[in-house]
Amino acid sequence: EPEVTQTPSHQVTQMGQEVILRCVPISNHLYFYWYRQILGQKVEFLVSFYNNEISEKSEIFDDQFSVERPDGSNFTLKIRSTKLEDSAMYFCASRPNTGYNEQFFGPGTRLTVL
Amino acid sequence: AQSVTQLGSHVSVSEGALVLLRCNYSSSVPPYLFWYVQYPNQGLQLLLKYTSAATLVKGINGFEAEFKKSETSFHLTKPSAHMSDAAEYFCAVSDSGGGADGLTFGKGTHLIIQP
Repeated sequence: EPEVTQTPSHQVTQMGQEVILRCVPISNHLYFYWYRQILGQKVEFLVSFYNNEISEKSEIFDDQFSVERPDGSNFTLKIRSTKLEDSAMYFCASRPNTGYNEQFFGPGTRLTVL
Repeated sequence: AQSVTQLGSHVSVSEGALVLLRCNYSSSVPPYLFWYVQYPNQGLQLLLKYTSAATLVKGINGFEAEFKKSETSFHLTKPSAHMSDAAEYFCAVSDSGGGADGLTFGKGTHLIIQP
């Protein structure tokens, strides 16, 4: 069964460093998403991406964040200058162009900012 | 703005007992509602979804949920708990059934199964 994959599973970085989190959505899906979950808190929507551009973004998704689909399979989230409060689990999700916004999630990348 | 409230951050039931996980939503339009499950060290897996076709929705692993508009609720139930049901459960809402809308999640309920 096809699934969303994410790499790395765990990323440790120093405050102020740039990180790139990678996702491979399910191959025939057209909508892509990033969410984050700070430890002990709810899963929060960051951004959605469709047709090679950002469709929606939340208040959390400020100028330090960017997303890209560099090729036909990868979808990346870049954090330019990490802060301590960026430590969280980051989930990628995708969905096809049909259905009712049911999104398929990857296993997540745990980002730890020191 | 839409929101989801899950009552009870932890729910403990005995194996074989009824599971009831509560979810109330707030939405300005008819919502699309979802339950996801997260097993340890795994991603979120869709359990079931409500899309207005039927108020009682059946999902995987014997779970079902009933949409009650008058109560703005979408509680998740399972008649008989199994040890393998121990996980974190998230209720989520979307105002749109299409487009690129993000999901709004509740805080989650940790389900503990006692032997």
